[in-house]
Order: sequence, then C-alpha cells, then structure tokens
Amino acid sequence: DTEVTQTPKHLVMGMTNKKSLKCEQHMGHRAMYWYKQKAKKPPELMFVYSYEKLSINESVPSRFSPECPNSSLLNLHLHALQPEDSALYLCASTLGAPNTGELFFGEGSRLTVL
Amino acid sequence: AQSVTQPDIHITVSEGASLELRCNYSYGATPYLFWYVQSPGQGLQLLLKYFSGDTLVQGIKGFEAEFKRSQSSFNLRKPSVHWSDAAEYFCASLILTGGGNKLTFGTGTQLKVEL
Repeated sequence: DTEVTQTPKHLVMGMTNKKSLKCEQHMGHRAMYWYKQKAKKPPELMFVYSYEKLSINESVPSRFSPECPNSSLLNLHLHALQPEDSALYLCASTLGAPNTGELFFGEGSRLTVL
Repeated sequence: AQSVTQPDIHITVSEGASLELRCNYSYGATPYLFWYVQSPGQGLQLLLKYFSGDTLVQGIKGFEAEFKRSQSSFNLRKPSVHWSDAAEYFCASLILTGGGNKLTFGTGTQLKVEL
C-alpha cells in the first residue's frame, strides 16, 4: 500500500463552521505533512509532524489546528476560516528523519470557504 | 536559503517532440532534488529523484533528469511527449532540519501539448 488517503475530497464551509480534514497512510511513515496550495501556485508547507509530534509550524494562523492521533493519522481542524483560506489542502508522508526520501502525496481536499 | 527556481512558467510543445523543463537550485552541499507532476485538481506524483551517485536519473513515464553541479541545474527531459503529459511540473528540494525534512517547491512549469 503506497497510498495517502485524504477525506473529504471536497468541503464547503461557512466562516463560522468547524470542520476537519483527515489524512491516513499505512506505509509505516513517521513524518506527515500538511501543505496548502492556491490555484496556479506551488504547494506551501504548513505543518510537519515527526514521530507524532509537531516539529514544524510555518507560522500558520491558529484557525488551523493540526492533530496527529497516531502514526497513521493526521487531521487538520478548521475553525473561523476566511474566504482566502479556500485552497487545495494536501497531505503527505515520508519515512521520517534520519531517513531522507520522497514525500508521498494524497489527492488533496479542496476547501471552499463562503 | 536553499531553493529551486523554474524559469519557465509556461511551455508548449507538439506531441512527439522532445521536452526539457529547467530547474536551477541554490545550495552549497549536494541537494536532494525531485520532480513532481500534478494534473488539474489532483495531488502530486513523483517522477524522479536525485540524492547522490549517477547524475542521470531515470524516472517514470519515460522521463529523465540530469544533475549538473557546474550549472546548478536539474533539468527534466523526455524524448517524445505524449498528449497525456500536459500538466504542471514542479521541481523541489528537500531541506534537512532538526525539526524534520522540509520539501520546498519551485513555482512550477505549465506544460501544454499541441496535437
């Protein structure tokens, strides 16, 4: 199994809603990532979890709250988002330090904030 | 800071023609370099990677890339393009930090294939 599975594929939410994005992998990877991608732009790193601990936060606003319940799961909790947060949210995983290797990406969750 | 640059925003080629997409990196030590492809509305698929060793790297779908330290380049090539190759192509580099490995992307090159 070399897949990273993201749900939901599409999400529409209002600015007062609370929702979550979910990411799952069963490759035994110990590093998991959230990226944000706006239209016609490259993905931008948001968070990195390494061995279930948050290791990198790229100064992301607190309305985005990541969670890593176990080594296979990664969530992104969303609250009080703004319309400019509408984007494709990509999850990725890799073996984790000290290994170096490619990141495996999911298909993404397309978020629309009204 | 370590980064990659893709000079070409858009490239159009005819089906069957050869392709070269440019990528330049800036980093002192040998970088870890990747090429990913993204079809519209999809995630990213790894085409190939370079860590060390042989500077000519073979990837999936008939793609290859050559690491040239003297030119700080990692250009992607394909001898004969197919219409299905139309997509966005990202060059990326892996930055090793104490907090974890970070993958940073170039701005991307949009490939259009004319039939």
